[in-house]
Amino acid sequence: EVQLLESGGGLVQSGGSLRLSCAASAFTFSNYVMNWVRQAPGKGLEWVSSISSSGDFTFYADSVKGRFSISRDNSKNTLFLLMNSLRGEDTAVYYCAKGFCDGGTCSWYLFDYWGQGTLVTVSS
Amino acid sequence: DIQMTQSPSSLSASVGDRVTITCRASQSISRSLNWYQQKPGKAPKFLIYAASTLQSGLPSRFSGSGSGTDFTLTISSLQPEDFASYYCQQSYSSPPTFGQGTKVEIK
Repeated sequence: EVQLLESGGGLVQSGGSLRLSCAASAFTFSNYVMNWVRQAPGKGLEWVSSISSSGDFTFYADSVKGRFSISRDNSKNTLFLLMNSLRGEDTAVYYCAKGFCDGGTCSWYLFDYWGQGTLVTVSS
Repeated sequence: DIQMTQSPSSLSASVGDRVTITCRASQSISRSLNWYQQKPGKAPKFLIYAASTLQSGLPSRFSGSGSGTDFTLTISSLQPEDFASYYCQQSYSSPPTFGQGTKVEIK
């Protein structure tokens, strides 16, 4: 069974930095787009960032562009999200999500497996 | 950005009821519409993609329909484990966007 295990969340002051990790197992990590999606307390889901299977292509929500950086280490089956210049509105549970492939067609922005999430709290 | 609007925001229903949730896109997204289920304190679960294709292994009481701007998720006979929040999401263009969610509660 696909497993995604996030870590690295915690309490950080406004303007600070955190690096989230997502350890993947039970699938060929290097074949799939990977994503970060967040959910503020009591709110809905918000896409944050996506990265291609090779890591060559990355995409960001406007709300985090220039502050967050997504990366991956395919040799270690691990996805990362480096978050700088954190703001109160970045407070959320951050989910790592695997990209979906239907047969030989892989989609950007379609998320078939999700980790349990890691909570990031930004205090002022 | 494409705005996704779900209705209702919440509903109360009984076990065995037929439940329908609607999702409207601010512009045409063809059939690039997906549905997720989320239970309190848990990660979202992928239910349906391409508007009507049920993810493998999921019960057939879940179905989706629609194209263009208007979509529906139907649960034909609500089961106790179906009480949860449901989110639609468009994968037609970047950035991918979600509806605000529909909470299905026990009547």
